Amino acid sequence: GQQLNQSPQSMFIQEGEDVSMNCTSSSIFNTWLWYKQDPGEGPVLLIALYKAGELTSNGRLTAQFGITRKDSFLNISASIPSDVGIYFCAGQDAGTYKYIFGTGTRLKVLA
Amino acid sequence: GAGVSQSPSNKVTEKGKDVELRCDPISGHTALYWYRQSLGQGLEFLIYFQGNSAPDKSGLPSDRFSAERTGGSVSTLTIQRTQQEDSAVYLCASSSQEAFFGQGTRLTVV
Repeated sequence: GQQLNQSPQSMFIQEGEDVSMNCTSSSIFNTWLWYKQDPGEGPVLLIALYKAGELTSNGRLTAQFGITRKDSFLNISASIPSDVGIYFCAGQDAGTYKYIFGTGTRLKVLA
Repeated sequence: GAGVSQSPSNKVTEKGKDVELRCDPISGHTALYWYRQSLGQGLEFLIYFQGNSAPDKSGLPSDRFSAERTGGSVSTLTIQRTQQEDSAVYLCASSSQEAFFGQGTRLTVV
């Protein structure tokens, strides 16, 4: 199936550290979305980005829509234990309008 | 409803039995996706419906898997002759401008 390249695949960090993850694609996207999935739950939408260069924050989370429209990053500042989970990106293909989802970044925060 | 609703939330079935998983998308969303997620793993694309277009079935792992979407709304994913390797969480998402997920159906084949 179609997937975005998301990195890193997993990471362990100390509480209080900043975290960065990104997604890249060979296709141009109209929209980028970032999700968090807690164990036993479905992914929950965190941030939506609608145009190239857009930088959007949601609390300690900041995401940007790359100017090439082929990438996006998510930063989490001052991580806390409840940030643990799997983070997914998704991009809406500009040609087909289909959403393609990333492979996920598994984040573990060490107290 | 306000969000994507999936049922059942949990399903335990015997190997060889057929199962049906249901997804009620957000009203007005024309696109609907089914994904499979094994424990702690990423999202495995299964099938995509968009309006009245022919569905993208490229992710279905075998001919035991099928899905339909009636009236452009509710979707059913059917797995025939279930195998133990079918055990996973099956997630449905619907989208308009943004995509939203349901809580998933945890399928266990024993």
